[in-house]
Amino acid sequence: SYDLSQPLSVSSALGQTATITCGGDNIGTKNVHWYQQRPGQAPVMVIYRDAKRPSGIPERFSGSNSGNTATLTISRAQAGDEGDYYCQVWDSNTVIFGGGTKLTV
Amino acid sequence: EVQLLESGGGSVQPGGSLTLSCVASGFTFGSYAMTWVRQAPGKGLEWVSGISGSGGSAHYADPVQGRFIISRDNSKDTVYLQMNSLRPEDMAIYYCAKGSSSVSRFGWFDSWGQGTLVTV
Repeated sequence: SYDLSQPLSVSSALGQTATITCGGDNIGTKNVHWYQQRPGQAPVMVIYRDAKRPSGIPERFSGSNSGNTATLTISRAQAGDEGDYYCQVWDSNTVIFGGGTKLTV
Repeated sequence: EVQLLESGGGSVQPGGSLTLSCVASGFTFGSYAMTWVRQAPGKGLEWVSGISGSGGSAHYADPVQGRFIISRDNSKDTVYLQMNSLRPEDMAIYYCAKGSSSVSRFGWFDSWGQGTLVTV
């Protein structure tokens, strides 16, 4: 089965850049989607198709995907960005989520 | 505005059954695949099942294959998850989510409900 690996936690100073990685075998050949889950809330999509932002998501959120690593970058991190972040791909007709990364700002 | 409202969660004994419902609004329901994702207490997201916009194609994660059945009623803008032979490891918050197209084996989940808790 296909595995996605994410760091358990990432911390960023207020106003700095937070980087969350998602590792997988040749993940660069897949479309990667990212979700934010604030404490006690449902997930919200923040990036789809590697680097596209849904309407309503700040430009501070960006994504990239190449080789064996996809990356979610949050510029000028704010306290409201704290929460868990999950990457997601499809493999063999199955949805795969990464284990999640807790972002602390 | 897309809205998804889950219901049907509750407490059930191991081996029991429960059916979850998710009522959608704000979009043309039959044009989009729908999916169920669960989250055990303190754990990450786990995909459970998905169904195409027409309802003609459904698929399941291995842990629930043969025990859970996903279905939809496009006349009622509702997707269901029938859960049988429930196990303690099925205990979780169950979220329904809207797919990005009518195809169930592709894409992302652009809207999520608030979830319903299932306790086994």
